[in-house]
Amino acid sequence: QSVVTQPPSASGTPGQRVTISCSGSSSSIGSNTVNWYQQLPGTAPKLLIDSNNQRPSGVPDRFSGSRSGTSASLAISGLQSEDEADYYCAAWDDSLNGVLFGGGTKLTVL
Amino acid sequence: EVQLVESGGGLVKPGGSLRLSCAASGFTFSNAWMSWVRQAPGKGLEWVGRILSKANGGTTHYAAPVKGRFTISRDDSKNTLFLQMDSLKTDDTAVYYCTTHSYDAFNMWGQGTMVTVSS
Repeated sequence: QSVVTQPPSASGTPGQRVTISCSGSSSSIGSNTVNWYQQLPGTAPKLLIDSNNQRPSGVPDRFSGSRSGTSASLAISGLQSEDEADYYCAAWDDSLNGVLFGGGTKLTVL
Repeated sequence: EVQLVESGGGLVKPGGSLRLSCAASGFTFSNAWMSWVRQAPGKGLEWVGRILSKANGGTTHYAAPVKGRFTISRDDSKNTLFLQMDSLKTDDTAVYYCTTHSYDAFNMWGQGTMVTVSS
């Protein structure tokens, strides 16, 4: 079954480094690039990381992405209060012939 | 500046139809691959489907839950993307976002339009 799995929640204190995992399958993350999106409360999602580890213009270098095998992760260093948001990973799935989103991770800055 | 403005959302009864539009500006729409992504209240993001540029055949792909009920089309002369939704179900209640593609990534998003399916 094609599913992309994220932890429902994560937390950290200001200045800390947090990571969010994203687990897929050979037909999704194992074969295609992973993209990450940030959704601040009450707003539309925004592209945060594309092609596994590329930051679009304007995204701070505190955000980084990586992929290994059928998993990926998003790291946020120097955590700030404005990073409190929902984070989603996504990848194309060759068996479904469509895009799969992870369930999302709610990041709380304590 | 890239702008995507969705419209056409509203309240519809189960089994009914609705047509969403997305007006695009600030980029060469005819070259763009476009997708619709939805978000049910309090839930995560779900890809609905995409349409490639005419240069790439204008091919459409759909997520399993909407295949056969939803149709994505485009009018490049009016820089507008459409989502025709038929046989609507209560599970289709969501905010619907229009997005542009940069390869597999959704790099620009509209503000979304709310669709409520309820009797």
